[in-house]
Amino acid sequence: DTAVSQTPKYLVTQMGNDKSIKCEQNLGHDTMYWYKQDSKKFLKIMFSYNNKELIINETVPNRFSPKSPDKAHLNLHINSLELGDSAVYFCASSQDTTGANVLTFGAGSRLTVL
Amino acid sequence: KQEVTQIPAALSVPEGENLVLNCSFTDSAIYNLQWFRQDPGKGLTSLLLIQSSQREQTSGRLNASLDKSSGRSTLYIAASQPGDSATYLCAVRAGKSTFGDGTTLTVKP
Repeated sequence: DTAVSQTPKYLVTQMGNDKSIKCEQNLGHDTMYWYKQDSKKFLKIMFSYNNKELIINETVPNRFSPKSPDKAHLNLHINSLELGDSAVYFCASSQDTTGANVLTFGAGSRLTVL
Repeated sequence: KQEVTQIPAALSVPEGENLVLNCSFTDSAIYNLQWFRQDPGKGLTSLLLIQSSQREQTSGRLNASLDKSSGRSTLYIAASQPGDSATYLCAVRAGKSTFGDGTTLTVKP
């Protein structure tokens, strides 16, 4: 069983389109995250949710809207896609927001904006 | 603002060598430090987690140390193998996790 699963794995789309990436974790964790890894492989946090509530928003453009229908799911919707949005987006989860627990990552969703 | 630096950016060694990867961070008020491995085109795999109260963790051929006061961690890989070739990332956690830029390791047969 995949602990943190993301769909789709690959996404190719045109500028200006709207797209969503879904994430689900079956670990029973309370906290979920979205990270962006750009072409230079830098990994930066975008959002964090704890029990469906937003706790971290790293000044991400408001074209990016995360949604957490329950604590096992954290989806990422992106409006009006731009070339600079091309990256690999990783979902992750941890037991809670304290420091005692490992971060578990999904396999990533590679977004290419043409 | 926490900054995490990993040195070297890239490392190439012959099979069988022992090696050390370095991670330094600017703010010592951390909960933990985690080492990850990332293979090309893949996600991140957790290798070792060191809590702020711990000095080291070991798993197989891997040993990670943490010196919080000096803001440093090392990942020691013993008897390296070609299958160890990957990018190694460290992440320090204090509220959120901040990642280093990684060290890309190549182990040549």
